[in-house]
Amino acid sequence: KQEVTQIPAALSVPEGENLVLNCSFTDSAIYNLQWFRQDPGKGLTSLLLIQSSQREQTSGRLNASLDKSSGRSTLYIAASQPGDSATYLCAVVNQGGKLIFGQGTELSVKP
Amino acid sequence: NAGVTQTPKFQVLKTGQSMTLQCAQDMNHEYMSWYRQDPGMGLRLIHYSVGAGITDQGEVPNGYNVSRSTTEDFPLRLLSAAPSQTSVYFCASGDSPGANVLTFGAGSRLTVL
Repeated sequence: KQEVTQIPAALSVPEGENLVLNCSFTDSAIYNLQWFRQDPGKGLTSLLLIQSSQREQTSGRLNASLDKSSGRSTLYIAASQPGDSATYLCAVVNQGGKLIFGQGTELSVKP
Repeated sequence: NAGVTQTPKFQVLKTGQSMTLQCAQDMNHEYMSWYRQDPGMGLRLIHYSVGAGITDQGEVPNGYNVSRSTTEDFPLRLLSAAPSQTSVYFCASGDSPGANVLTFGAGSRLTVL
């Protein structure tokens, strides 16, 4: 059974700092991996999608990497801003097409 | 605006009551799905559909029914609500579950007393 784990559960950093969020999964037979952002009381917004054949994807200050063989993905946020404060979730899509989520990392960026 | 619309946003039920959470999308997406989000457990897939007339179970389907009579709509039914179904429910749609990103609704917060 696929399990997705995110560490840390919560993170607080000062504005301007570069940071890394971690995601690990137990079954490397994935179709793709996605990173989402969730603001309090809101739905999820897709940030980046990495296909299983790719190593990384970039969007603005965000860079996501994927190492399928080790079952790991990282989300790198450069020059963090208070507006980046949110919960970040990773999810893997199994070959059967089901999306399995991690528990999320709650990020707080202090001005 | 194009997107996924969920109704109601908030609902309080008594144990044993029934209700339907509505989900509608106007992007002509074939894939639609329902998740529940509980503290410390992330999002868990309840049911999903890959097209009109086709539905399948996710990780936690017990106590929930779905149907997909049209491409646009994917209602989630609770036939006899239980306190364990207190949660925030999200509907999501996409061209397919894996190839493209999913668009999520804003969520429906359900409390069962």
